[in-house]
Amino acid sequence: SQQGEEDPQALSIQEGENATMNCSYKTSINNLQWYRQNSGRGLVHLILIRSNEREKHSGRLRVTLDTSKKSSSLLITASRAADTASYFCATAKTSYDKVIFGPGTSLSVIP
Amino acid sequence: DAGVIQSPRHEVTEMGQEVTLRCKPISGHDYLFWYRQTMMRGLELLIYFNNNVPIDDSGMPEDRFSAKMPNASFSTLKIQPSEPRDSAVYFCASSLGGPEGNQPQHFGDGTRLSIL
Repeated sequence: SQQGEEDPQALSIQEGENATMNCSYKTSINNLQWYRQNSGRGLVHLILIRSNEREKHSGRLRVTLDTSKKSSSLLITASRAADTASYFCATAKTSYDKVIFGPGTSLSVIP
Repeated sequence: DAGVIQSPRHEVTEMGQEVTLRCKPISGHDYLFWYRQTMMRGLELLIYFNNNVPIDDSGMPEDRFSAKMPNASFSTLKIQPSEPRDSAVYFCASSLGGPEGNQPQHFGDGTRLSIL
């Protein structure tokens, strides 16, 4: 059963702009991860945020987690054409549950 | 460091044929996962291994699917006989942690399987 779902399904922006995508989930979680998938490639892990954390940064990436709203956001600042990819959130309800991946957001960054 | 290596990258075969997908995980990773990705169903976990032992195969769709991990550096996913609905991209991933996601999973570039 699907736990997390990304929004929007697709996003198109100009190079240099910021991109924000969201992940909403249905039940409480143990952790939440964001992955990127370039066309024809495997998923690449970006950031893991635990349920007791509110914000994490990695380079141009910023992830927030709001457990009261059961949602997370991924912000990519100063986007580049190379950021064009699909982005997935993955959640696990507890430390005993398997991670479930959402359907993803397709991001297009136009040069 | 070499990442997860999968072969073949592409496989096209006729219905009824046996298909074998191969995976070499990252050295030192205790967990190995097999996933299937389709447009309709997204990314689904089929089976995972811990220290070469299959732990959970509840995601394997049918008895036509089987997976083995004879040693820490090699795993196979076999479909016999194959059907057109098995067409998908199959990913192998490895990790220092289990399926609960406390450690990142490292994915191979997948095998794109087409069953005619």
